[in-house]
Amino acid sequence: AQKVTQAQTEISVVEKEDVTLDCVYETRDTTYYLFWYKQPPSGELVFLIRRNSFDEQNEISGRYSWNFQKSTSSFNFTITASQVVDSAVYFCALRRSYGQNFVFGPGTRLSVLP
Amino acid sequence: DAGITQSPRHKVTETGTPVTLRCHQTENHRYMYWYRQDPGHGLRLIHYSYGVKDTDKGEVSDGYSVSRSKTEDFLLTLESATSSQTSVYFCATLRGLAGDTDTQYFGPGTRLTVL
Repeated sequence: AQKVTQAQTEISVVEKEDVTLDCVYETRDTTYYLFWYKQPPSGELVFLIRRNSFDEQNEISGRYSWNFQKSTSSFNFTITASQVVDSAVYFCALRRSYGQNFVFGPGTRLSVLP
Repeated sequence: DAGITQSPRHKVTETGTPVTLRCHQTENHRYMYWYRQDPGHGLRLIHYSYGVKDTDKGEVSDGYSVSRSKTEDFLLTLESATSSQTSVYFCATLRGLAGDTDTQYFGPGTRLTVL
């Protein structure tokens, strides 16, 4: 069975602090894909990143970085120097290579205070 | 961005009435999905479609039906709405490519309130 856990329900930080959002997944597949989505207060779901299970190289995009570790089944997301505009709910998701369905975690609500 | 629209964007209805939500996409994506989003549960899959007239159930399909008569449209019907179906409903699409380049894109959501 596939499962995604985001143990942090809510996180509050002060602007300019760094923050890491945790994502732990369960799958028996050797090939799979991991995703992060952002849901700002306006409600839409915005795709942030996709990573396949064969690529454990960490990725950095501006203030965003992702740390994928197969050994611990984790795909954590770090925001450096957080800004108020980063306030949102962030979802981690898993997709099997042989299926087209996604399993989402429950989300982490990040509040960045000025 | 897959050019996904949902209608209506907001709806208030009464218990026992039928409700149909529409998802329309302009990108000719093969797969379409309906999710509901509730606090503490993230996104849960209701039904999905892998082609015209081809649909299957997700994890929370009870009380819902779907239809896809055209590639671009995916309808979600609540035959007899209940208060437990008050939620935000998201449609999503997926092109359906093999490999790791495929990403699911979401519509803007429909907020449904069942009184």
